[in-house]
Amino acid sequence: DTEVTQTPKHLVMGMTNKKSLKCEQHMGHRAMYWYKQKAKKPPELMFVYSYEKLSINESVPSRFSPECPNSSLLNLHLHALQPEDSALYLCASSQARWGTGVDYEQYFGPGTRLTVT
Amino acid sequence: AQTVTQSQPEMSVQEAETVTLSCTYDTSESDYYLFWYKQPPSRQMILVIRQEAYKQQNATENRFSVNFQKAAKSFSLKISDSQLGDAAMYFCAYRSVQGAQKLVFGQGTRLTINP
Repeated sequence: DTEVTQTPKHLVMGMTNKKSLKCEQHMGHRAMYWYKQKAKKPPELMFVYSYEKLSINESVPSRFSPECPNSSLLNLHLHALQPEDSALYLCASSQARWGTGVDYEQYFGPGTRLTVT
Repeated sequence: AQTVTQSQPEMSVQEAETVTLSCTYDTSESDYYLFWYKQPPSRQMILVIRQEAYKQQNATENRFSVNFQKAAKSFSLKISDSQLGDAAMYFCAYRSVQGAQKLVFGQGTRLTINP
């Protein structure tokens, strides 16, 4: 099984709402990622978790709050978002043996299309 | 910091023909990985092909092959016998060997296949 699943597929939320995005994988990967992708642009890395610990935060605003409750799950909690946060949010996972010189493919989920009104 | 440049925002090719997508990158590192990812309209990003910088031999995966020119920092993707299912946005990406698996993406090339 090489699948990364994301829910929901689409989400519309107001600027005062609190919502969460969910990502799940069952490939035994210990690294998980959140990317933000605006229309016609490449994905931009937001967060990286390694062995359930946050290892990279690419200076993301605090209205985005990641959580990795276990090795299979990754959440992104959203609060007080702005219209410019509307985008496709992609989750990815991979093996986590960084620095060994061995590359491990990142498997991407289908994304959640977020619209902030 | 590393940068990746794709100079062709859009490309089109006739079905069954061959097309080449360009990518250049800038880095001071000697060892790294380069990738081509495909993102069809259904949105899921899929790895097409990978190249290790220390390998001189160009990577191939069925109808997909790369032309890796390390000195020129060039990494083009050739798609042979183009099929309608190849229509997608193609992203070139760079990753350092050391450290976290941070992918640096180019801006993408939208490929259209004409029947």
